[in-house]
This record gives sequence, structure tokens and C-alpha cells, in this order.
Amino acid sequence: KAGVTQTPRYLIKTRGQQVTLSCSPISGHRSVSWYQQTPGQGLQFLFEYFSETQRNKGNFPGRFSGRQFSNSRSEMNVSTLELGDSALYLCASRWTEETQYFGPGTRLLVL
Amino acid sequence: AQSVAQPEDQVNVAEGNPLTVKCTYSVSGNPYLFWYVQYPNRGLQFLLKYITGDNLVKGSYGFEAEFNKSQTSFHLKKPSALVSDSALYFCAVRDDSGYSTLTFGKGTMLLVSP
Repeated sequence: KAGVTQTPRYLIKTRGQQVTLSCSPISGHRSVSWYQQTPGQGLQFLFEYFSETQRNKGNFPGRFSGRQFSNSRSEMNVSTLELGDSALYLCASRWTEETQYFGPGTRLLVL
Repeated sequence: AQSVAQPEDQVNVAEGNPLTVKCTYSVSGNPYLFWYVQYPNRGLQFLLKYITGDNLVKGSYGFEAEFNKSQTSFHLKKPSALVSDSALYFCAVRDDSGYSTLTFGKGTMLLVSP
């Protein structure tokens, strides 16, 4: 099976812009979670989607949003970008068993 | 709230020697524990997990971990380190609520010298 894929892999934006990141889970996986990784804060949970519904949300401002489509693909959106949003954004998928499998990530640089 | 502590920012070991990367956790209910490894500019790669059962869990690439409920620890071990094991290692925990939310430690950089 193909693994979790994320596009784009690298992105450069300027402050105030918005960005959309995409994640395709492993085939058959219905749960998709997003995490932000920064040197200062480490890995932090953003949100989880299951069957197109947000099940859980981390402690991030409303500028961070997401959605999941009927084919389980997910997108996350960050509006009004700030310098502190520069990070590696990781997507993970899982089926009914416990393990989350991560994609390669999208590295976002905000200038 | 759940939490994970990885007390060592870096662990140095010579190739061929055993290695241990430490992890302690705090969670309500039964813990689901995981170890992931991250190579430079890559995502997280799953190594092993503890859900229930034997306290010694075997995973990928010769790694194993020992679950100790009384000490709330889940240390990662390998009998003989390889230079290619050099990477960033993360311990993670989630509760048994059914949600996917993982709480990660800060990570431990493992450096294996030839």
C-alpha cells in the first residue's frame, strides 16, 4: 500500500497570506490527524477528522482550520499567516487499529 | 491531561554497544504508548507500540521497549547500536478514549559513533 502523502512538500508564503495543505491517507484509513512541529514547541496536535467530521481539536487559534472529504483526503488551511506559523506540518492516518502512520510533512516558511 | 517526558536531549553511544532512550508518561486510564523515529527532513516513522500484553515489546530494526506500569516508563532499547540508528526519537502517549490525539515528548537525539 502507498503511504500517507502530503502536498506540497515545501511552501514559502508571506505574512498575512493564507495557505492550504493537502493530505492523502493510506487507502482504507478513515481517520486523519494533523500535527505542527516546531523547534520550540515540538510536536503539537492540531485536529483529527473521521468520516468528514472533526472529532478533536488542539489548542490553536481559529486561523487554523481543516476539513475532510468523502474519500478521506484532508486539507488544512491557515489564514492570516504569522511568522510563528513557520513549521513542519505532519499528517497522520489510521484505520481502526491504534497506530498512526505519518506522511513526510509539508515544510512551511512564512516571511 | 496526558504528558510525556524524555529527560535526555541527546544520547551518545558507540556502534555495537547497547542503547537506551528514556521515556516516562502520565495519562488517565490505560496508556497507549508509541515510539517514532525521525530522520532529517522526513516525517515520523513508526517503530513500536504498547497497548496491552507483554511488558517487553519488539519492533522494527531490532528495537524493543519495556513497559513499566509502576514507574510509568516506556524506555526504548537496542542490544547493539548501528551508525544508521542516529536520528531523533519521539515517545508518544494517548489514552484509551478512542481518539487519535497523541501527546509527544520533546524528542531525544541519538548519536551513534563509529
